[in-house]
Amino acid sequence: AQTVTQSQPEMSVQEAETVTLSCTYDTSESNYYLFWYKQPPSRQMILVIRQEAYKQQNATENRFSVNFQKAAKSFSLKISDSQLGDTAMYFCAFNFGAGGTSYGKLTFGQGTILTVHP
Amino acid sequence: KAGVTQTPRYLIKTRGQQVTLSCSPISGHRSVSWYQQTPGQGLQFLFEYFSETQRNKGNFPGRFSGRQFSNSRSEMNVSTLELGDSALYLCASTPGWDLNEKLFFGSGTQLSVL
Repeated sequence: AQTVTQSQPEMSVQEAETVTLSCTYDTSESNYYLFWYKQPPSRQMILVIRQEAYKQQNATENRFSVNFQKAAKSFSLKISDSQLGDTAMYFCAFNFGAGGTSYGKLTFGQGTILTVHP
Repeated sequence: KAGVTQTPRYLIKTRGQQVTLSCSPISGHRSVSWYQQTPGQGLQFLFEYFSETQRNKGNFPGRFSGRQFSNSRSEMNVSTLELGDSALYLCASTPGWDLNEKLFFGSGTQLSVL
């Protein structure tokens, strides 16, 4: 079975500081796709960043970057220069591949509520 | 481009009733996925449709069903509602060709079963 674990239910950070959200997973697949989504109070899930498991280089998107450790099955999200608008619930999510049966099928972690304080 | 539109935003039903939720994807997107979000179980995949065909299904009972129309709009139906079906139901659309595609989500339908 494929599992995704976010061990930090809540985190807080001061504006302009850096915070790292953790995510671990378990799968026997060799290729898969990794995502971080955020869900602000408006409830609409928004993609923050994505990574493909076969790519060695960690993805970066402006203030957001990931640390992907495939052997350790770890996929953390670093937010630099935190802004008030970053306050949201953050989910790591995976498409574990399995050929043509996984379109649109993401397995989500339980989420981390991030609060950015002024 | 208009985003993913879900209707209605809120719905209140009683046990035993049935409900139909609607999702209009982004223009040009042919894949629509549905998710159930609850505080206890988190986000769980229900099913995915592409060009009117269900390609993928999660582990939900047969009371949960869906369909997709030729214009890619999708509906999901829950029959014989139970209290545990109270949840936020999210749909997402993508072009539908690649497992690495970004899912574009709607704002969800909040279903309350009394």
